[in-house]
Amino acid sequence: GAVVSQHPSWVICKSGTSVKIECRSLDFQATTMFWYRQFPKQSLMLMATSNEGSKATYEQGVEKDKFLINHASLTLSTLTVTSAHPEDSSFYICSAGGTQRGVYEQYFGPGTRLTVT
Amino acid sequence: ELKVEQNPLFLSMQEGKNYTIYCNYSTTSDRLYWYRQDPGKSLESLFVLLSNGAVKQEGRLMASLDTKARLSTLHITAAVHDLSATYFCAVDSGSGGGADGLTFGKGTHLIIQP
Repeated sequence: GAVVSQHPSWVICKSGTSVKIECRSLDFQATTMFWYRQFPKQSLMLMATSNEGSKATYEQGVEKDKFLINHASLTLSTLTVTSAHPEDSSFYICSAGGTQRGVYEQYFGPGTRLTVT
Repeated sequence: ELKVEQNPLFLSMQEGKNYTIYCNYSTTSDRLYWYRQDPGKSLESLFVLLSNGAVKQEGRLMASLDTKARLSTLHITAAVHDLSATYFCAVDSGSGGGADGLTFGKGTHLIIQP
C-alpha cells in the first residue's frame, strides 16, 4: 500500500522558535497533500490543502503566516510552524492523495508530536 | 458547512458482543471513510465507501453507507479485545473526486473488556 512518512516523529522546541515538519510520499506521486492537527482527546481538524507548485489553501481560522506550507515536489510537502507558542503543541498529521486499490483516497503519515515549552 | 456526527462517543463493551457505531453527515457526499486510531498513533484506513448501498467487510468489522439518509454505520461482530481503539468516520465534502480535505467526526472511543 501507499506509504507516507513524516519527519520528525516528535519535536520539543522553545516558545518563539520555528519548527519544520516534512511529509513525504514514498512510493507514489501526490499532487495534493493535506495537513491536519489533532489536540489531545480530540478529532482531526484540516488545516490546509497543499498542491504541488501552487500556494496552499488554508481552512478558516488557520493563520497562513504562522503555518507556512511548501509543496515543492510531488513527493514532499513541508509545514513550518513559525514563532511557536505552547498553544501550538499538538499532533500534526499529513496525508497524501493517491490511488491504490483502484480508489483515490488519502494516505496518512505517522504524525509529528510537537511540544512547545 | 459540513458537519459529521458520530455516536456513541464512548463505548465499553464485552468481548463476544455485537455493536454498531453511527456516523451522520450534513451535506451531500459520495465518499465516506472509516479509520482506526490507536493511542499515540496515526490513522489506519479501514474502509472507503463510495456509493449508496455500499457495504464492505473486513474481519469482524462491516461498514455500510446510505447516502440518502446521510448515514454510515460501522458494525462490530463478536468483539475481541484487539479491536479496542478510537474509530473515526470522515467525509469528503468536495466535488474533486476525492481530492479534498476530510471532515472528521469526533471519534468513538471503544473499549472491549474480557
